[in-house]
Amino acid sequence: DIQMTQSPSSLSASVGQKVTITCRASQSINMYLNWYQQKPGKVPKLLIYTASSLQSGVPSRFSGSGFGTDFTLTISSLQPEDFATYYCQQGYRPPYTFGQGTNLETK
Amino acid sequence: EMQLVQSGAEVKKPGESLKISCKASGYRFTTYWIAWVRQKPGKGLEWMGIIYPDDSDTKYSPSFQGQVTISADKSIATAYLQLNSLKASDTAMYYCARLTGDNAMDVWGLGTTVNVSS
Repeated sequence: DIQMTQSPSSLSASVGQKVTITCRASQSINMYLNWYQQKPGKVPKLLIYTASSLQSGVPSRFSGSGFGTDFTLTISSLQPEDFATYYCQQGYRPPYTFGQGTNLETK
Repeated sequence: EMQLVQSGAEVKKPGESLKISCKASGYRFTTYWIAWVRQKPGKGLEWMGIIYPDDSDTKYSPSFQGQVTISADKSIATAYLQLNSLKASDTAMYYCARLTGDNAMDVWGLGTTVNVSS
């Protein structure tokens, strides 16, 4: 299986701050990396697909980059509704494994 | 509107079996893979497996192979997740989701809560 490792596991930040979350794959996954946001008690929501494509309806303050094994999710200016857990997921080869999640908390 | 509607919450005893359903609407069911994802209380997302409803081609995570069965009935646009010999450790939320061509999950069901307790 391809292992996905996110860092940090948790992060404290303030509204307006720029935030970056990193995801590393145990082998190359080309561009097949997706990012999800999950709020407590809610269904995961697709934010970014194929590393850098913004899902329809997702605010432009979210962006993704990377290729191969190293990827980042950036929130350019945190909004109150962005405090949530973020997961990366590889779509290169089944099983399409998730990272362990990054809990973004308010400082 | 594209939707995946899952069956309701379940309470089961250890050793029992369970089949969760996921009914699709608003898109062509047979042309998208459906994934199942587990989330234990307070934990992360775990990818369980996928099915292609048109021919029922199925791929399982090694972590779940032999423990669960994924199936689909394309005549009623419904996918299923069967859990056998339930244990307390199967207590979790189970989601179904549609896979895009790039293997991202863009449409999710609301989840089915399974509680296994004696």
